[in-house]
Amino acid sequence: QKEVEQDPGPLSVPEGAIVSLNCTYSNSAFQYFMWYRQYSRKGPELLMYTYSSGNKEDGRFTAQVDKSSKYISLFIRDSQPSDSATYLCAMRAGGYNKLIFGAGTRLAVHP
Amino acid sequence: GAVVSQHPSWVICKSGTSVKIECRSLDFQATTMFWYRQFPKQSLMLMATSNEGSKATYEQGVEKDKFLINHASLTLSTLTVTSAHPEDSSFYICSAPAPSQIYEQYFGPGTRLTVT
Repeated sequence: QKEVEQDPGPLSVPEGAIVSLNCTYSNSAFQYFMWYRQYSRKGPELLMYTYSSGNKEDGRFTAQVDKSSKYISLFIRDSQPSDSATYLCAMRAGGYNKLIFGAGTRLAVHP
Repeated sequence: GAVVSQHPSWVICKSGTSVKIECRSLDFQATTMFWYRQFPKQSLMLMATSNEGSKATYEQGVEKDKFLINHASLTLSTLTVTSAHPEDSSFYICSAPAPSQIYEQYFGPGTRLTVT
């Protein structure tokens, strides 16, 4: 069993739709949860970061962490074609920089 | 914001040759850098942790004699793929921890290696 599970998609939605991306994990030591966006042939860029459980909102993006269920989500409201990318969840235990990534979900937002 | 660069961005080499990839932190110092490999449509897999002034720490299953890592200064780490084979063709990405935010890593743009 992988430490972090993420459905690779692809996920195709119309412009304006609400997108829900999810990851599950098995290591209860994880405390830092990140979502990265990666365009084709580019390095990942940090979108959202959450420490421990809770919600965080930034513009059209909302990240949720439920540590009791070992489940994290990223919601994208009013999706745009420019959101088309691969979204990677990543997490790590406290006080240690090693990041564990999910497989990444490929998202396509069509006009 | 802080930037991590990689050079080259794309390289083609013949089987049996060695290729060096550079990773630089441009406006901050990094005592630690990370090297990842990413196959098409797959996630990033950590290969090794590069430590300035000491030996790199390799993840299980990564051949340290094949993937040589040198962290010679606080802003430069290099990955050398020795005796490259076609199966080494991949996207190699480095990252460095943000100096003041423990949760964040800055990623380089990646280097695409094609071994013919």
